[in-house]
Amino acid sequence: GENVEQHPSTLSVQEGDSAVIKCTYSDSASNYFPWYKQELGKGPQLIIDIRSNVGEKKDQRIAVTLNKTAKHFSLHITETQPEDSAVYFCAESGGSNYKLTFGKGTLLTVNP
Amino acid sequence: DAGVIQSPRHEVTEMGQEVTLRCKPISGHNSLFWYRQTMMRGLELLIYFNNNVPIDDSGMPEDRFSAKMPNASFSTLKIQPSEPRDSAVYFCASSPLGWETQYFGPGTRLLVL
Repeated sequence: GENVEQHPSTLSVQEGDSAVIKCTYSDSASNYFPWYKQELGKGPQLIIDIRSNVGEKKDQRIAVTLNKTAKHFSLHITETQPEDSAVYFCAESGGSNYKLTFGKGTLLTVNP
Repeated sequence: DAGVIQSPRHEVTEMGQEVTLRCKPISGHNSLFWYRQTMMRGLELLIYFNNNVPIDDSGMPEDRFSAKMPNASFSTLKIQPSEPRDSAVYFCASSPLGWETQYFGPGTRLLVL
């Protein structure tokens, strides 16, 4: 992957609402798309990932969708809780550049 | 599983001093990565080892940085001499699947005065 754009840079929601973070990439050959959650003072934690042969993946309140035609993928968090507050990073790899390329991050704040 | 272990967690040093960061990957993982995180540049890959061999060090900023992996359970990142612009959080990550499924350590917060 060459470039990953992540939006929004900050997101504030009320507890119980849903949160959606979107990333776009440029390399059509990219085939692996993980999402990381980073809490203050800690390392990024892998929360979910998807590969290019799958369009959607769910794990409890977290889901990721992939649109290869449009070259974007999104993280969906339902029934948000205050402990979901963190910085979320998308990433991609594969294709012409096997390195894991990270987005700039989204600061999610869930207000009680 | 203890996860990826890094030491020290915090390091404050003066410009010109040598700094050594340490990492113990998750047992059984054959890939190890060193990253640097700053507000301005985000997460940057410094170097990637596979089966203890450096595969890609193109992200190492300059000759002042060096990394070694003498065995499957230990790696070091050394900065000599350190400069204030090296101040950042340095993460080590390991993976059982090459570039995929990387697990990060807690990081070392480095401040060079």
